[in-house]
Amino acid sequence: NAGVTQTPKFQVLKTGQSMTLQCAQDMNHEYMSWYRQDPGMGLRLIHYSVGAGITDQGEVPNGYNVSRSTTEDFPLRLLSAAPSQTSVYFCASSRTGGNGYTFGSGTRLTVV
Amino acid sequence: AQSVTQLDSHVSVSEGTPVLLRCNYSSSYSPSLFWYVQHPNKGLQLLLKYTSAATLVKGINGFEAEFKKSETSFHLTKPSAHMSDAAEYFCVGGSGNTGKLIFGQGTTLQVKP
Repeated sequence: NAGVTQTPKFQVLKTGQSMTLQCAQDMNHEYMSWYRQDPGMGLRLIHYSVGAGITDQGEVPNGYNVSRSTTEDFPLRLLSAAPSQTSVYFCASSRTGGNGYTFGSGTRLTVV
Repeated sequence: AQSVTQLDSHVSVSEGTPVLLRCNYSSSYSPSLFWYVQHPNKGLQLLLKYTSAATLVKGINGFEAEFKKSETSFHLTKPSAHMSDAAEYFCVGGSGNTGKLIFGQGTTLQVKP
């Protein structure tokens, strides 16, 4: 049972480039979400999904796009990378939301 | 709107002494509350969760937390700190079936030999 798998673990982008952060879970969880972690700010919600085909914006959605075509996958797209998007990104999934989330190991992104 | 406030950004204890990490929440409805731990350069691990079944919640590694509605608090405690407990701890609120988690700012726990 792999849990929540995030790829890549590290990435360096140039300003203006686009990329997709991958997130996959094998627990048949309906709820999935993306967070970014910045020093002194805890984790902030970017986008979330309560099931395949259903997504919604979180606290800091600007510059990011998501889709949820399958239960297992929830990719996060950076449309045009900016230095302000330098952060550690975590994907999480949950069966019901109320029972807690399982987090991936994170993607450390640097935009230069 | 729901909010979660961790009252200390940094807590330092000696090994073998009690740990207290404080968390207050604000919610207009009965919340789901969690404590997560993050060791350096690692992901987040669920320590324990409150979902209204019992006010005293026991978690992994000897941690526990008590939900006090009158004080809107959910403080995390451990009777005796170990060196391996040194990490960042997050108090987190869940908003039921919306799929959203609200994170506190985090508390760094330092454990001194």
